[in-house]
Amino acid sequence: EVVMTQSPATLSVSPGERATLFCRASQSVSSNLAWYQQKPGQAPRLLIYGASTRATGIPARFSASGSGTEFTLTISSLQSEDFAVYYCQQYNNWWTFGQGTKVEIK
Amino acid sequence: EVQLVQSGAEVKKPGESLKISCEGSGYRFTSYWIAWVRQMPDKGLEWMGIIYPGDSDTRYSPSFQGQVTMSADKSISTAYLQWSSLKASDTAMYYCVRREYDDYYFDYWGQGTLVTVSS
Repeated sequence: EVVMTQSPATLSVSPGERATLFCRASQSVSSNLAWYQQKPGQAPRLLIYGASTRATGIPARFSASGSGTEFTLTISSLQSEDFAVYYCQQYNNWWTFGQGTKVEIK
Repeated sequence: EVQLVQSGAEVKKPGESLKISCEGSGYRFTSYWIAWVRQMPDKGLEWMGIIYPGDSDTRYSPSFQGQVTMSADKSISTAYLQWSSLKASDTAMYYCVRREYDDYYFDYWGQGTLVTVSS
């Protein structure tokens, strides 16, 4: 099983600031990496697929990069609606998720 | 508009059986794999398995093999997740999700079904 490790577990950020989230895979997943956002009481929503491609309707302030085992999600200027939990997921070998990073208001 | 609409919340006792559903609309249901994802209270996401409604080909995560059964009725565009004997540890939110047609990520999620198992 491919183990996905996200860091940090919690990120405290002020509105308007940049947030950078990390995801590491236990073995190479090529670019088969997605990011999801989950707000309290809601289902997750696809943000990024193919490690760096924004899904339909996702604002340009969300960007992502990486390949192999190291990946990054950046939110350039946090808006109030961006405070949520973010999960990375590899889909190179079945599907596994990271444990999530909670982005909270500082 | 693609939609996955799941059945409502359930409260069951240990040992009882349960079948929850996920109805797809706005796309060709038989052409897209449907996966199930578990989220235990205040925990992360776990892939349980995946089914192709076109022919009911099913693959289970080793962690869930033998614990649940997935099925689909393509005549009514509905996928199912069932348990024959629930345990307290099955208490969780369960999501059905659509796998993208040409790739392997999950592009649409149902709203979730909360299953509570308590004596």
